[in-house]
Amino acid sequence: DGGITQSPKYLFRKEGQNVTLSCEQNLNHDAMYWYRQDPGQGLRLIYYSQIVNDFQKGDIAEGYSVSREKKESFPLTVTSAQKNPTAFYLCASSRTGGSSEAFFGQGTRLTVV
Amino acid sequence: AQSVAQPEDQVNVAEGNPLTVKCTYSVSGNPYLFWYVQYPNRGLQFLLKYITGDNLVKGSYGFEAEFNKSQTSFHLKKPSALVSDSALYFCAVRDSYGNKLVFGAGTILRVKS
Repeated sequence: DGGITQSPKYLFRKEGQNVTLSCEQNLNHDAMYWYRQDPGQGLRLIYYSQIVNDFQKGDIAEGYSVSREKKESFPLTVTSAQKNPTAFYLCASSRTGGSSEAFFGQGTRLTVV
Repeated sequence: AQSVAQPEDQVNVAEGNPLTVKCTYSVSGNPYLFWYVQYPNRGLQFLLKYITGDNLVKGSYGFEAEFNKSQTSFHLKKPSALVSDSALYFCAVRDSYGNKLVFGAGTILRVKS
């Protein structure tokens, strides 16, 4: 069953903690993305990666970090430097090339408690 | 840098009537344009895309979109709306040079019976 798996579905973080969101895909896609979704603001790009061991900052990278050690995996760490981390986080993947649509996971809802 | 504007926060339509959800874009070079739909607390589902060629693109669930280069628009349409079409709709653009996929703020579609 091909697709993108994000885990966990819900995550609670205490102030000052780092947390890591998992994203795994078995679609053999080279490109992977992380977006943050807040009400009324659409999807904002955090980081993206077009190939293993390489990634680029998106529009709101501050307070986040990523790694791309394997083609299938693109974990996102929300660090304590991110002042307002409560949001819905979406991971996506696609083939490289401008015309390729992205496929999305079901999202992780992160709440700071 | 590319950008997308969805000028309407919400569109209301009666069941059986035609619907239009508007999108305009800004990008260098030739655009690749996409429409996605999102149901509550879920990831995004791909509806359709414009790459090149015919300006009227047909997609999933009876949706279509019209590309207009002179107006830099890519409006989503459906001839007869269903209550089940009620959801959040996103327009997205990627330029022909890079792999950064940029989304609009989204438009809530409400179809009333």
